[in-house]
Parts: sequence; structure tokens; C-alpha cells
Amino acid sequence: AQKITQTQPGMFVQEKEAVTLDCTYDTSDQSYGLFWYKQPSSGEMIFLIYQGSYDEQNATEGRYSLNFQKARKSTNLVISASQLGDSAMYFCAMRPKMDSSYKLIFGSGTRLLVRP
Amino acid sequence: NAGVTQTPKFQVLKTGQSMTLQCAQDMNHEYMSWYRQDPGMGLRLIHYSVGAGITDQGEVPNGYNVSRSTTEDFPLRLLSAAPSQTSVYFCASSTQGEANYGYTFGSGTRLTVV
Repeated sequence: AQKITQTQPGMFVQEKEAVTLDCTYDTSDQSYGLFWYKQPSSGEMIFLIYQGSYDEQNATEGRYSLNFQKARKSTNLVISASQLGDSAMYFCAMRPKMDSSYKLIFGSGTRLLVRP
Repeated sequence: NAGVTQTPKFQVLKTGQSMTLQCAQDMNHEYMSWYRQDPGMGLRLIHYSVGAGITDQGEVPNGYNVSRSTTEDFPLRLLSAAPSQTSVYFCASSTQGEANYGYTFGSGTRLTVV
């Protein structure tokens, strides 16, 4: 079964420090995409970063980077220099590329609170 | 820069009532989908469409109906609302060819069924 697991329901981080949000996935597919989304209290889903299963380098987007370990089936999100505006829910998601539904499989999310 | 537009933003229904959640995108995306988000859970796929005239079921389709008569619109119909359908609903769209970056979500519809 294809599944995304986020084991940290909630986390705190001090402003300006880095934080790592964990995500592991389960799939037998060889080709898949991994996504992270941010959901602030206003409710919208904001795309942050993407990693393809065949990408050799870890993805980076500004203050966001992924620690992608394919053999361990993990794709942890690292947020550097945390800001108060980073307080939000963060969802890890996977898209099996051979699935014609183009569905995203989501984890249950991690709530991050940035302390001033 | 409208992107994906969902209406209404909030709705309260009585059990047994029907309604349609509207979703429209102006990016000419082939792929559109509906998700629901329940507390403590991520989003789950209800229905999806890979183009006008083509729809299929996702993970949790029971109690919902969809149609796709145009590329732009993908309405979600609740046939007979039940309290279990209380949730936040998101519409999303993407280009079909390479959906690495193109999942654009609407702002959501918060539905309460009493």
C-alpha cells in the first residue's frame, strides 16, 4: 500500500533557527514525485518544494531544502532561519507517476510553531 | 491571476440537502481534482478528471458526483448531505504532462452538515 507517514504532530522552533520536519513514504513504484505543502491558519495549500525519485541532488527552494534518502524512503523538509510566518501545518505528499489518477497521497501533517 | 477559484467559502447544510461546490480554473489545466480534509488527516482524493468529458473516482467518492463539461469548470455535487461530509473541500488543478510543480489548489470550502 502507498502511504505517507509524518510522525511529528507538532513541533516548536526558535525564530532564526533551522528545523527539520520528517516524512517517510511507502511505495513499490520506482517513479514518483514527492511534494511539501504549507497550510497557514488561513487554510490555503501552498506548494513549497518538489523532489523526483530519480533526482540525484536534493531539491532546494530558498530557505527550504529536502534531505532525500531514497533507500530509507524518507524526504525530510529542512527550513533554515525560521521566521514567525513559517508557523503553519506542513504536509508531505507523494504522487506515483504511473498512476493515471494523478492523485497526491498526503501525510497527516506536522504543525510547526515558531517562537519569537 | 485568478488561478483556481472555489465557491462558496463557507456553507452550512441540513442533513439530506443537496448542493454544488463550484471550482473554476483559468490556466487551461487538463487535470482537475477534488480533495477533502478532515481534522488530523491529510487530504484525500474524492474525484478527478483528466480532461473535459472524463471523470473518475478517487479514494472516497461515495456521496459525491462530478461532471466536466468544460476545461475550466469541475463542480462537486453532494447528493444528500450527511454529517460525515462535514469537512474542508479543496479543488486542485494541474497540467497533465508533468505535474511536478503544477498542482494549484483553490482556497477551500468549509462545509458543515447539521
